[in-house]
Amino acid sequence: EPEVTQTPSHQVTQMGQEVILRCVPISNHLYFYWYRQILGQKVEFLVSFYNNEISEKSEIFDDQFSVERPDGSNFTLKIRSTKLEDSAMYFCASVTGTNYGYTFGSGTRLTVV
Amino acid sequence: EDQVTQSPEALRLQEGESSSLNCSYTVSGLRGLFWYRQDPGKGPEFLFTLYSAGEEKEKERLKATLTKKESFLHITAPKPEDSATYLCAVQAEVGGFKTIFGAGTRLFVKA
Repeated sequence: EPEVTQTPSHQVTQMGQEVILRCVPISNHLYFYWYRQILGQKVEFLVSFYNNEISEKSEIFDDQFSVERPDGSNFTLKIRSTKLEDSAMYFCASVTGTNYGYTFGSGTRLTVV
Repeated sequence: EDQVTQSPEALRLQEGESSSLNCSYTVSGLRGLFWYRQDPGKGPEFLFTLYSAGEEKEKERLKATLTKKESFLHITAPKPEDSATYLCAVQAEVGGFKTIFGAGTRLFVKA
């Protein structure tokens, strides 16, 4: 069964450093998303991406965040200057159409120290 | 504001003891309601989509139902491997295509 692949599975970074989280969505999917889940809290929407541009972003997705689809397969989330409160699981998801269930990756656990 | 509230927060069942999880939602026009299963340290796994009141979907021991204000996930004769967090989520007809998640119900099934 097709999978969404995320790397790395765990990243530890110093506060103020830049991190790039990587995702390979399912190849025939058209819509791509980043969500995050702080330990013990809800899964929160960050950003959606369609047709090579951001279609929607949340209040969390401020200027320190950016997304790219540098080639036909990868989808990245960059955090420019990490803060302690950025520590969370970050999930990538993709879907064929807008009202279908997502396929999520296994996540990247980001720990900012 | 679109909201999803799940109850109970946690549910402990004996193997074979059927029960239901509740998801109440307020949304400005429902495009779809989704149920996911999440195991510890993993991403959510899609289970069902429901689009309109009265709709029902089934998969093995799970059955999801939908009314205009809430959805239920019924678990029939659960097994220990059904232990997980079950997440309810909605997409609204307006305001883009993001999915809003509830906090989940943690289900523990004891053998």
